[in-house]
Amino acid sequence: AQSVTQLGSHVSVSEGALVLLRCNYSSSVPPYLFWYVQYPNQGLQLLLKYTSAATLVKGINGFEAEFKKSETSFHLTKPSAHMSDAAEYFCAVSDDGRTALIFGKGTTLSVSS
Amino acid sequence: DGGITQSPKYLFRKEGQNVTLSCEQNLNHDAMYWYRQDPGQGLRLIYYSQIVNDFQKGDIAEGYSVSREKKESFPLTVTSAQKNPTAFYLCASSTRQQYGYTFGSGTRLTVV
Repeated sequence: AQSVTQLGSHVSVSEGALVLLRCNYSSSVPPYLFWYVQYPNQGLQLLLKYTSAATLVKGINGFEAEFKKSETSFHLTKPSAHMSDAAEYFCAVSDDGRTALIFGKGTTLSVSS
Repeated sequence: DGGITQSPKYLFRKEGQNVTLSCEQNLNHDAMYWYRQDPGQGLRLIYYSQIVNDFQKGDIAEGYSVSREKKESFPLTVTSAQKNPTAFYLCASSTRQQYGYTFGSGTRLTVV
């Protein structure tokens, strides 16, 4: 069965600092992986996705993630945090990329000035 | 623009009353999903439907019911049997022509 573990339910950074949100997955088949962002009282918005092409995936708002098969990881990074990045972030895995997405429990990112 | 509309955004009900949350999409997506979100628990799947007139239970279906009479609509009823219905409810849809899900903006249900 597939699963996703997001390490750290809450991450705090200063404005301008590196953002690193961790995601490890478990899958018996080559996975499709996603990062979503959720602002308060809103739905989830797709940040980026890995679909077995390039292992380094670039998304919206300056975020990127690297698929590392040997580490079963798909960590989300951004070189310089902005106040507007404060939100909850969800990692998800799917075996076909289109259905049956399994979501992690989420990481809340706080950004201080 | 195409998207998913959830209504209402905020909903208040008295304990013991059934309540129906609306989810409509104009994306021509075949599959639709309902999730419940509680702080620290991520998204938990309630029901999903891959085709009209067919739906399956998710991980936490007890106390909920759905229908899928039209491709565009997937309403969720929270019944009085749901022990703790206060939560944020998210509807999503997907298609085999696109990776990932599209989400609605959610309905926050408060039962008093």
